Amino acid sequence: GENVEQHPSTLSVQEGDSAVIKCTYSDSASNYFPWYKQELGKGPQLIIDIRSNVGEKKDQRIAVTLNKTAKHFSLHITETQPEDSAVYFCASEGFNKFYFGSGTKLNVKP
Amino acid sequence: TAGITQAPTSQILAAGRSMTLRCTQDMRHNAMYWYRQDLGLGLRLIHYSNTAGTTGKGEVPDGYSVSRANTDDFPLTLASAVPSQTSVYFCASSEEGPNTEAFFGQGTRLTVV
Repeated sequence: GENVEQHPSTLSVQEGDSAVIKCTYSDSASNYFPWYKQELGKGPQLIIDIRSNVGEKKDQRIAVTLNKTAKHFSLHITETQPEDSAVYFCASEGFNKFYFGSGTKLNVKP
Repeated sequence: TAGITQAPTSQILAAGRSMTLRCTQDMRHNAMYWYRQDLGLGLRLIHYSNTAGTTGKGEVPDGYSVSRANTDDFPLTLASAVPSQTSVYFCASSEEGPNTEAFFGQGTRLTVV
């Protein structure tokens, strides 16, 4: 099946700085790559997604880039705020299922 | 809109006992999924269903079974619980399969002792 690897596992940044989380996937047929944010005690929620027909997508302070050739995609959060602190998961659609990375715990220090 | 509802919120279960985790969605989504979340391992797919009447195995199906008798409900059953099944379980649904946004429930924290 699909193998999704995510780095780093933890990330600590100062408020206002940028944060970058990277993922790789194995199934070259995958064409949908969502990112989820999970706050403590809650289920994951979609924050942004990208499909294979585009290389970059932006929504206010968050952006996602996709390199289909290298099979990796990244989440970029600019001007981080304390409320961005959470666990972030990348995912890939492969073999008609969702596969998730192992998660990145982001801590934004005020 | 309720979205996805899971029950119970948490449960302590004796090893060897059976239990069914309930999941109901009111969005009329075709696809539904069960994941378990363990520290450092992220979300691992247990079973999935792309449409009512069909189910499939995910990455870690052993010890679990599911059914999809209708669109709204997707229960997960542990026939004989073991301590390694201690985890947080999330149910999710998506409109047309894994190419569309997945909506997650609040999770069920299960402890097998």
